[in-house]
Amino acid sequence: NAGVMQNPRHLVRRRGQEARLRCSPMKGHSHVYWYRQLPEEGLKFMVYLQKENIIDESGMPKERFSAEFPKEGPSILRIQQVVRGDSAAYFCASSPRTETNYGYTFGSGTRLTVV
Amino acid sequence: AQTVTQSQPEMSVQEAETVTLSCTYDTSESNYYLFWYKQPPSRQMILVIRQEAYKQQNATENRFSVNFQKAAKSFSLKISDSQLGDTAMYFCAFIYSGGSNYKLTFGKGTLLTVNP
Repeated sequence: NAGVMQNPRHLVRRRGQEARLRCSPMKGHSHVYWYRQLPEEGLKFMVYLQKENIIDESGMPKERFSAEFPKEGPSILRIQQVVRGDSAAYFCASSPRTETNYGYTFGSGTRLTVV
Repeated sequence: AQTVTQSQPEMSVQEAETVTLSCTYDTSESNYYLFWYKQPPSRQMILVIRQEAYKQQNATENRFSVNFQKAAKSFSLKISDSQLGDTAMYFCAFIYSGGSNYKLTFGKGTLLTVNP
């Protein structure tokens, strides 16, 4: 049973380009969460998705950032026109239901570097 | 909104010794869960231990144990018989147990180095 799979592991983008980060949840998990870890910071909640629905995007910047979790395929976090401040590690987690009292299963993250 | 504070940015310990990492949090809720996560250089977030706020008994997982003081809103992690593989960032995290309880709130982390 593979864990949460994220790719790519490292992503380098020039300022102004688009970044696409992918997350495949654990088998049987239909709830996906994205977190961002800025340098020397803890993880911060960005967005919570269920299949084909965005449940809570309160932690995601209003501009340039979007997320989706289609019926088929992985969840995608998309950052348009990246800027240096977007450089961070982006983590995806999944769960079989909303209740997460047992903690999430996290992926290994995608480190985005904007040059 | 709840906050989680880890006051020790870095700590070091000799192999086989015991070390305690501190965490305090602030919340007005009475029902919640607390976690310690380990993040080694591989960057993988690994759940180390979990504590339910309504349980007075401190959680233990092999060499890892917590000291949970609900009134003081303190949740420290004790690592006994430290091993080189324990070298990692350690994050304390909080989540409400009711309502929209899907948002984990993390502290800034403590970098633990275990020296041979």
